[in-house]
Amino acid sequence: GAVVSQHPSRVICKSGTSVKIECRSLDFQATTMFWYRQFPKKSLMLMATSNEGSKATYEQGVEKDKFLINHASLTLSTLTVTSAHPEDSSFYICSARSSGGANTQYFGPGTRLTVL
Amino acid sequence: GQQLNQSPQSMFIQEGEDVSMNCTSSSIFNTWLWYKQDPGEGPVLLIALYKAGELTSNGRLTAQFGITRKDSFLNISASIPSDVGIYFCAGGTNAGGTSYGKLTFGQGTILTVHP
Repeated sequence: GAVVSQHPSRVICKSGTSVKIECRSLDFQATTMFWYRQFPKKSLMLMATSNEGSKATYEQGVEKDKFLINHASLTLSTLTVTSAHPEDSSFYICSARSSGGANTQYFGPGTRLTVL
Repeated sequence: GQQLNQSPQSMFIQEGEDVSMNCTSSSIFNTWLWYKQDPGEGPVLLIALYKAGELTSNGRLTAQFGITRKDSFLNISASIPSDVGIYFCAGGTNAGGTSYGKLTFGQGTILTVHP
């Protein structure tokens, strides 16, 4: 099956620093990747859609200058949380949609970010 | 925007019992997906449905894409302790513009299985 990895799985950082999270599709090419944020016992909240070779599309209310997304290749997208604050602490999950179409998304294992 | 209503919100069952959960929407979807999420992990795809009326099984799991394209259900037969987790439905659309490829998620069903 389609495998998506995320790195790191957990990160703790100081307030004001930046953190980069990587999302990779391991056995398929993904023209589109998605970044979600999830609060405890809640559903997934889409933050942005990342398209290879073009700018990401952000959902309403998501600050694009704070959550920088780069999709430089068909297998890698990165999310950088800039100038992190404690309220950015959350579970961040990426997903990838294969180049073959359909709407099936395969999710990474998630990254737990804690900002002190 | 599109919304999915997933029910029940939580279920407490005995091992061996069957489970049923469903999602309904006021909008039409072209794809229905069911995911399971364990604590601290990303969602794992259980079943993908691409055609209205489609009934698909994956082991003890069975899911159907409603004929109206506005609903879907997931059944789990003979539940076991490892079925514990949060189950999410998700609807996908082929509509153009900014909605293309996005998924709309249900609120989730928390399943607890007592041995």
